[in-house]
Amino acid sequence: GAGVSQSPSNKVTEKGKDVELRCDPISGHTALYWYRQSLGQGLEFLIYFQGNSAPDKSGLPSDRFSAERTGGSVSTLTIQRTQQEDSAVYLCASQGVRPSGELFFGEGSRLTVL
Amino acid sequence: QQQVKQSPQSLIVQKGGISIINCAYENTAFDYFPWYQQFPGKGPALLIAIRPDVSEKKEGRFTISFNKSAKQFSLHIMDSQPGDSATYFCASSSNTGKLIFGQGTTLQVKP
Repeated sequence: GAGVSQSPSNKVTEKGKDVELRCDPISGHTALYWYRQSLGQGLEFLIYFQGNSAPDKSGLPSDRFSAERTGGSVSTLTIQRTQQEDSAVYLCASQGVRPSGELFFGEGSRLTVL
Repeated sequence: QQQVKQSPQSLIVQKGGISIINCAYENTAFDYFPWYQQFPGKGPALLIAIRPDVSEKKEGRFTISFNKSAKQFSLHIMDSQPGDSATYFCASSSNTGKLIFGQGTTLQVKP
């Protein structure tokens, strides 16, 4: 497809389980971001991948969160031992090359931890 | 130095009025200032963006005003419509850095 694709769109899990969220960015985009958005709240930055550089992990809230980007394309955000406070929408965005710099967001993965 | 501060947190405007949302940044290396619009259940989408070589950019009813010396920029929505009701995020970045978002403003336009 032409846009950023995220899966699953909805995920319900039990506390303590691990979850994986997937992001397929727009082809050719070298930068990729993950954000978390709780209901009615702003965009909480999690992690930023830019080309072959080391990812900026400064936003990851705990060591239960990790992300990887394979082959400079698909990214997976993994949350281990999920907690109820992890419930949120997880948004992925890929970024066009400069001079545009526009971020294209997916529609998000809604995670509910029971 | 990486923060972008956005205000107000929420805004209620009557149909036909002007909506104004403000942002302030700290990093003088920032050279790209976009605004994103987000409707419920959707990801944010680029609305309008400006670079510091101009002080104002207008696209239809949406205008960005940019004040480089004050390190501030604002979004003006003229003739606000109920369909403009959404959450708006300002953002900033430098040429090589990641995009930094403000905290968001929830706009409600009353009919």
